[in-house]
Amino acid sequence: DAKTTQPTSMDCAEGRAANLPCNHSTISGNEYVYWYRQIHSQGPQYIIHGLKNNETNEMASLIITEDRKSSTLILPHATLRDTAVYYCIVRVLETSGSRLTFGEGTQLTVNP
Amino acid sequence: DAGVIQSPRHEVTEMGQEVTLRCKPISGHDYLFWYRQTMMRGLELLIYFNNNVPIDDSGMPEDRFSAKMPNASFSTLKIQPSEPRDSAVYFCAGGYGSYNEQFFGPGTRLTVL
Repeated sequence: DAKTTQPTSMDCAEGRAANLPCNHSTISGNEYVYWYRQIHSQGPQYIIHGLKNNETNEMASLIITEDRKSSTLILPHATLRDTAVYYCIVRVLETSGSRLTFGEGTQLTVNP
Repeated sequence: DAGVIQSPRHEVTEMGQEVTLRCKPISGHDYLFWYRQTMMRGLELLIYFNNNVPIDDSGMPEDRFSAKMPNASFSTLKIQPSEPRDSAVYFCAGGYGSYNEQFFGPGTRLTVL
């Protein structure tokens, strides 16, 4: 799976948009971009995933650049509960299963 | 649905003892994953099953670790004998299909003294 690079930490003011970047310059055509987050002392939680097109769900939006070498996860109105480590994962979908390889992620701190 | 259930939530044991961690996945999920998380190594995949069959156990650190899935609603991860370096949080996760989201359990915090 392609390697990803994320900033170690970011801060965001409550109520503002949080934009979390991820670089994946070696991504292949059949690799998807996934985002998970892990709130302290909990298991990771799926947020969103995409291949080429931008995606939006009730939690966040995922913007993937046209060359697919980078992406941005957007939390439109961050709350204190969004404080967590956010993982950007690039992975190929295998017919026999699908592994997630977690990196170090970005520690997002939402401040009041 | 109660989500993925793991037990125990906390386990403290002494070096050399056998430890068994348990997982009950969400009904209908055909994939089950065991992960381990430590400060040093982050979140690592240990093994995963598809339809109760182990598919990839390359992440299992040593022969001291073994995992089973006797049926679709239950899996165990066993460490025998346990060592202090096995101290970590162990997560079980499940999913349906090869590319859908994985649902993680709350984890078992294992401390080996």
